[in-house]
Amino acid sequence: NAGVMQNPRHLVRRRGQEARLRCSPMKGHSHVYWYRQLPEEGLKFMVYLQKENIIDESGMPKERFSAEFPKEGPSILRIQQVVRGDSAAYFCASSPLSGNQPQHFGDGTRLSIL
Amino acid sequence: GQQVMQIPQYQHVQEGEDFTTYCNSSTTLSNIQWYKQRPGGHPVFLIQLVKSGEVKKQKRLTFQFGEAKKNSSLHITATQTTDVGTYFCAGKLTGGGNKLTFGTGTQLKVEL
Repeated sequence: NAGVMQNPRHLVRRRGQEARLRCSPMKGHSHVYWYRQLPEEGLKFMVYLQKENIIDESGMPKERFSAEFPKEGPSILRIQQVVRGDSAAYFCASSPLSGNQPQHFGDGTRLSIL
Repeated sequence: GQQVMQIPQYQHVQEGEDFTTYCNSSTTLSNIQWYKQRPGGHPVFLIQLVKSGEVKKQKRLTFQFGEAKKNSSLHITATQTTDVGTYFCAGKLTGGGNKLTFGTGTQLKVEL
């Protein structure tokens, strides 16, 4: 019973390039959440999606960041024209239902910007 | 700004000592969840509390949800080295939509 799968585990990009982070939720889970974590800090909510819908993107930066969860395939967090400040761990979590359900986290993608 | 605060930020204890982390929200919470993140790892769900004043136990861990549903605590009795990690509370804030707001976390180090 596979858990939440994120890839890649580590991603290195140069400033100005694009970063694509993928997340496959647990089987049977239709709700996906993306979080960002800086070293020694907490988890900052970015976006909450269901299949083909963005439910809450209040934590997403206004520019360069986008997320999708298509009908088929994984959820994608896309960062365009990356800058050094984008370096962080990005975690994806999934739940079968929204709100009050426990969230199951993937191993995260460690993004490093050179 | 951050609406769910945890204290302390860091705690070093000797193995066998007790440990408590406190979680305080600026608004009422519909529920409170606790997660543990080991160094280099990902958050792992521990427990969820829903009712005002609720207390739950998991072996050496005791979780409480405040009467006003604005605060919570996690107490570990007789810490072990396996307890090392960062403990986060998380809850759905009133008026905050369906997302979970995570607390600032308490990093626990246990020394032999």
